[in-house]
Amino acid sequence: DTGVSQDPRHKITKRGQNVTFRCDPISEHNRLYWYRQTLGQGPEFLTYFQNEAQLEKSRLLSDRFSAERPKGSFSTLEIQRTEQGDSAMYLCASSLGRTGDEQYFGPGTRLTVT
Amino acid sequence: AQKVTQAQTEISVVEKEDVTLDCVYETRDTTYYLFWYKQPPSGELVFLIRRNSFDEQNEISGRYSWNFQKSTSSFNFTITASQVVDSAVYFCALSTYGGSQGNLIFGKGTKLSVKP
Repeated sequence: DTGVSQDPRHKITKRGQNVTFRCDPISEHNRLYWYRQTLGQGPEFLTYFQNEAQLEKSRLLSDRFSAERPKGSFSTLEIQRTEQGDSAMYLCASSLGRTGDEQYFGPGTRLTVT
Repeated sequence: AQKVTQAQTEISVVEKEDVTLDCVYETRDTTYYLFWYKQPPSGELVFLIRRNSFDEQNEISGRYSWNFQKSTSSFNFTITASQVVDSAVYFCALSTYGGSQGNLIFGKGTKLSVKP
């Protein structure tokens, strides 16, 4: 049984470039979450999907951020026109599908914007 | 508002000492879930435990135990006979139906260092 996987693990980009991250959840999990974690802080919620439907977005998710889960399986998170403040660890998690179910996290994608 | 407070930023202990990590939460919802996660130096968050708001029984799993008290809105985590491998950042998190719609609200974490 494979866990949550994320790709790439590290991304260095120049300010103003676009980046896209991918998350593959645990196969039987219906919910998929994106979080962002900066140094010394706990993860902060960005958005989540129930199957292919994006049900909630945080105020942290500016209009430069977009997420998709086209067939209810893997998900992508795109950041357009990256800024230095976007530098963080982007975490993906999945769960069975009910509020309160434990979430299992992937290893994260560390983004550095220079 | 939903909030999780972990007042201890860093704790350092010597191997075999017992250590308690504090977690205080705030929510107006009557149905909620509390979690603890471990983030070792490798970075991946590891799920440790989930409790729902209707179950205040304490739980023990090996050297780990959890004390949930609704009266004080606390969900504390104790490691007995700590080991070097317990060194990590530990996060307490809250999930509710009303406020968070299922996403996790994390505290800032407590960094535990266990020295040999």
